[in-house]
Amino acid sequence: EIVMTQSPATLSVSPGERVTLSCRASQSVSSKLAWYQQKPGQAPRLLIYGASTRAIGTPARFSGSGSGTDFTLTISSLESEDFAIYYCQQYNKWPPLTFGGGTKVEIK
Amino acid sequence: QVQLVQSGAEVKKPGASVRISCKASGYTFGSYSLHWIRQAPGQGLEWMGRIIPILGIANYAQKFQGRVTITADKSTSTAYMELSSLRSEDTAVYYCAREAPRQTTYFDYWGQGTRVTVSS
Repeated sequence: EIVMTQSPATLSVSPGERVTLSCRASQSVSSKLAWYQQKPGQAPRLLIYGASTRAIGTPARFSGSGSGTDFTLTISSLESEDFAIYYCQQYNKWPPLTFGGGTKVEIK
Repeated sequence: QVQLVQSGAEVKKPGASVRISCKASGYTFGSYSLHWIRQAPGQGLEWMGRIIPILGIANYAQKFQGRVTITADKSTSTAYMELSSLRSEDTAVYYCAREAPRQTTYFDYWGQGTRVTVSS
């Protein structure tokens, strides 16, 4: 099973700041990495797939990068609606499909 | 538009079973796999398994093997997830999610979630 590790667990930031979230895989997942955003009481929403391709409707301030074992989600200028929990998910080798533990982006 | 609408919240006693439905609309049901993912209170996301509706073939996470059954009814465009021998640790929100096109196994649409509470 591929273990996905996200860091940090919590990030306290102010609106307008640049945010970088990390996701590391226990073995290579190539570029088969997706990012999701989850707000309280809601289902996750797909943001990025293929490590760097924005899903339909994902604002341009979100960007993904990386391949192999190390990945990054960057929010160039945080807006109020971006405060949420972010999860990465690998789909290179499964079952099982695996998710990271999440990074909570909270207001500073 | 694509929609996945799940059945309502459930309260079950330990040892019981629960069956959750996920009705799909807005796309060709048989053309996309449907997955089930759960989230315990305050925790992350855990993949449970998937069904290929057109084939009726299901795959499960080893953790749930023997306790979970995922099925699909093409006539009603509905997928089902049944989890048996429930224990308190199964208390969670259960989501169905559609696999993205071209067998890329990430999820482009999600149901609203179904809360399952296991308590004596």
